[in-house]
Amino acid sequence: EAQVTQNPRYLITVTGKKLTVTCSQNMNHEYMSWYRQDPGLGLRQIYYSMNVEVTDKGDVPEGYKVSRKEKRNFPLILESPSPNQTSLYFCASSGGQGANYGYTFGSGTRLTVV
Amino acid sequence: AQKITQTQPGMFVQEKEAVTLDCTYDTSDQSYGLFWYKQPSSGEMIFLIYQGSYDEQNATEGRYSLNFQKARKSANLVISASQLGDSAMYFCAMRETRTDSWGKFQFGAGTQVVVTP
Repeated sequence: EAQVTQNPRYLITVTGKKLTVTCSQNMNHEYMSWYRQDPGLGLRQIYYSMNVEVTDKGDVPEGYKVSRKEKRNFPLILESPSPNQTSLYFCASSGGQGANYGYTFGSGTRLTVV
Repeated sequence: AQKITQTQPGMFVQEKEAVTLDCTYDTSDQSYGLFWYKQPSSGEMIFLIYQGSYDEQNATEGRYSLNFQKARKSANLVISASQLGDSAMYFCAMRETRTDSWGKFQFGAGTQVVVTP
């Protein structure tokens, strides 16, 4: 089954403790992206990647890091999480850059930073 | 600057009625795509419908249709014959195609729809 898999689904952590949210897709997609969703703000793009070793900042990159060492994987790293990073996070992938290419989303990771 | 605007934070609709969700967008691209996603209370993002900027006809997918008015830069979603299972958050999104937008996919703030019996 074609899918985007992100783990974990739920995570509670303490301020300052480094964490990684994993994301993997099995569709051989070039484009991958991370979003955070907050009430009233919709989904905001954190980082995106156009291919292996090619990443760029989205609208809200501060406090996050990403890497794309393999085409299928795109982990999101929070080096020193803070409470304002408590949010619902989505990983997504897309097969191309044309206007008709939407994103397929993972199931989401609900992160709480205390 | 906000590129996708959804002005309705929430709305109630009665079962079997039609509902229109508003979406306006801002772009200088000639080629772009507009998408609607549904997010039920379980949280997953479900793709509903797509409209390309060059498409002359409005997109339709089952009970979903997209009222595309290019000159007004609006792409409203119409759900016909609402069902209880349509209760969800709905997001409008846009993909632009100019070089500095590759990979970017921007969303509106969403509209919460509640379908009542």
